[in-house]
Amino acid sequence: GQNIDQPTEMTATEGAIVQINCTYQTSGFNGLFWYQQHAGEAPTFLSYNVLDGLEEKGRFSSFLSRSKGYSYLLLKELQMKDSASYLCAVRDSNYQLIWGAGTKLIIKP
Amino acid sequence: IAGITQAPTSQILAAGRRMTLRCTQDMRHNAMYWYRQDLGLGLRLIHYSNTAGTTGKGEVPDGYSVSRANTDDFPLTLASAVPSQTSVYFCASSTGQEGYNEQFFGPGTRLTVL
Repeated sequence: GQNIDQPTEMTATEGAIVQINCTYQTSGFNGLFWYQQHAGEAPTFLSYNVLDGLEEKGRFSSFLSRSKGYSYLLLKELQMKDSASYLCAVRDSNYQLIWGAGTKLIIKP
Repeated sequence: IAGITQAPTSQILAAGRRMTLRCTQDMRHNAMYWYRQDLGLGLRLIHYSNTAGTTGKGEVPDGYSVSRANTDDFPLTLASAVPSQTSVYFCASSTGQEGYNEQFFGPGTRLTVL
């Protein structure tokens, strides 16, 4: 079966750095996405990785290791507005997205 | 403003009733998707359409049907609603399925089946 694992919840302090991990087992791999979802809102795109390595986009970076079936999202200089759920999704061999349940990130002052 | 709209925003429905959730995008995206999101679970794909005139089944298609008569619209129909279909439904679209083609999501429809 296909499986995406992420921690259910994480807590971090404003101004700090947090790393959200995602491990996956899917039938095929055609890219990995990270989305942000604020409570009661739609998911919005954050990053895309298809090759191994780090992709940096401002305060957010995403890393991929295809051999390990592993990715992480790194958030720097945390702000209160970063309190949200972060969703990891893998595009499988059928080019459909398989989604993790999401990691709820709580930012404390 | 370009994007995806969904209607209704929320709905309470009696079990056994028929319901159509509407989704319209004005980005001329080829691919469209319907997901349901339940607490503690990831988004699950119900149905998808790679291009106008074609549809496919996702992970949880039972009890749902879709049509794609044109590029912009992708309605989702519950023929006879059951309480297990209580969920938040998101419609999404993308330029295509390959490469750096992110999915854009509508605001969602919160459906309660009693």
